[in-house]
Amino acid sequence: QSVLTQPPSVSGAPGQRVTISCTGSSSNIGAGYGVHWYQQVPGTAPKLLIYGNSNRPSGVPDRFSGSKSGTSASLAITGLQAEDEADYYCQSYDNSLSASVFGTGTKVTAL
Amino acid sequence: EVQLVESGGDLVQPGGSLRLSCAASGFTFSTSWMNWVRQAPGKGLEWVANINQDGGEKYYVDSVKGRFTISRDNSKNSLSLQMNSLRGEDTAVYYCARDVNGGFGSWFDPWGQGTPVTVSS
Repeated sequence: QSVLTQPPSVSGAPGQRVTISCTGSSSNIGAGYGVHWYQQVPGTAPKLLIYGNSNRPSGVPDRFSGSKSGTSASLAITGLQAEDEADYYCQSYDNSLSASVFGTGTKVTAL
Repeated sequence: EVQLVESGGDLVQPGGSLRLSCAASGFTFSTSWMNWVRQAPGKGLEWVANINQDGGEKYYVDSVKGRFTISRDNSKNSLSLQMNSLRGEDTAVYYCARDVNGGFGSWFDPWGQGTPVTVSS
């Protein structure tokens, strides 16, 4: 069972800004561990999108951005494009479980 | 090119065993923590296990402790997952992934393409 909670789905018109929340607790995000985000197109492997709360790997468009505050984190897509339709997962570390943990996942749809 | 390629996934009966492998290339495997992550059909991602550079530290999610064993062969740039006493709930696509920053709280990149494991009679 996931200890990081995400909304099941978010949607927006092309060009709009959408955000995905990732809610944790004092044993993971709130303990200071970094939050990382992955994009997964159905049928393919996850791809790293954001690491260390807000850093983009080379090649990731700058319309993707991440932030963290307290026990939560967010991923924003500014200027949603049809190609951004995918599942998105946050990830952190939980010191009470002594394990890496993933969020429940969010499906993004471009209307 | 940094690449991970998994193999070994199969259909196995409940209670059976299976060994997954992951071949690494394009980076210095011996200096990287490595992970196994799985995804059940239609479900989200679940971290399964990780191992440090020399194999001396290994960590597992509670649900597989005592049944799965992660190991590595740095001379062959290879990661393995020995899965015993398999259950229906172990049915998933299994991915290997490199731990970029090493140890706790790090992120995973790249990921392999995954290998499917089905536990069913």
